[in-house]
Amino acid sequence: DAKTTQPNSMESNEEEPVHLPCNHSTISGTDYIHWYRQLPSQGPEYVIHGLTSNVNNRMASLAIAEDRKSSTLILHRATLRDAAVYYCTTTFNTDKLIFGTGTRLQVFP
Amino acid sequence: GAGVSQSPSNKVTEKGKDVELRCDPISGHTALYWYRQSLGQGLEFLIYFQGNSAPDKSGLPSDRFSAERTGGSVSTLTIQRTQQEDSAVYLCASSLRWRTNTGELFFGEGSRLTVL
Repeated sequence: DAKTTQPNSMESNEEEPVHLPCNHSTISGTDYIHWYRQLPSQGPEYVIHGLTSNVNNRMASLAIAEDRKSSTLILHRATLRDAAVYYCTTTFNTDKLIFGTGTRLQVFP
Repeated sequence: GAGVSQSPSNKVTEKGKDVELRCDPISGHTALYWYRQSLGQGLEFLIYFQGNSAPDKSGLPSDRFSAERTGGSVSTLTIQRTQQEDSAVYLCASSLRWRTNTGELFFGEGSRLTVL
């Protein structure tokens, strides 16, 4: 079945690292893994994407398993503004991103 | 603004009426997508336009739904004879790259449709 699997919700305290997991066992060899996040009452926004190697940008890091069947989005120091729904998504060999239900991240002060 | 613009931001309609939702993508973006997000749910793909190619309509839930993209820019999503289950936020996104696989999607803030 072409879908990504994520925990429904996770919690973190402010300034602590957060590791958001995702399973995508049916991913094809050329599918990039993308992460988006959606703040309340807004459209999703891009966070990061990668293919095989781990990736870093100003927002987060993406760690991709060697077999590419799973990945982890890492927020190095969570802030209250990071509270959002985080979507792990890929194209599953199509031209469109297939989104799941995401992980709702709560950040506590 | 330089982002994806959607209108109306909110639409309340009666069951059985037709509605049109509009999307203005970022200038120069060749790919345009429509997604639907029901309350508390993830994003459901509806339709995808890429340049002059035939659109990918595989996600449209019924023949009451249609979309067009004029001049490779503005897109309109039309829902005919609306039903209560059509109530959702309709999100539009555009992308510069031909293949989304490597490109970034830019989303609008969505059009919230409520069917009474």
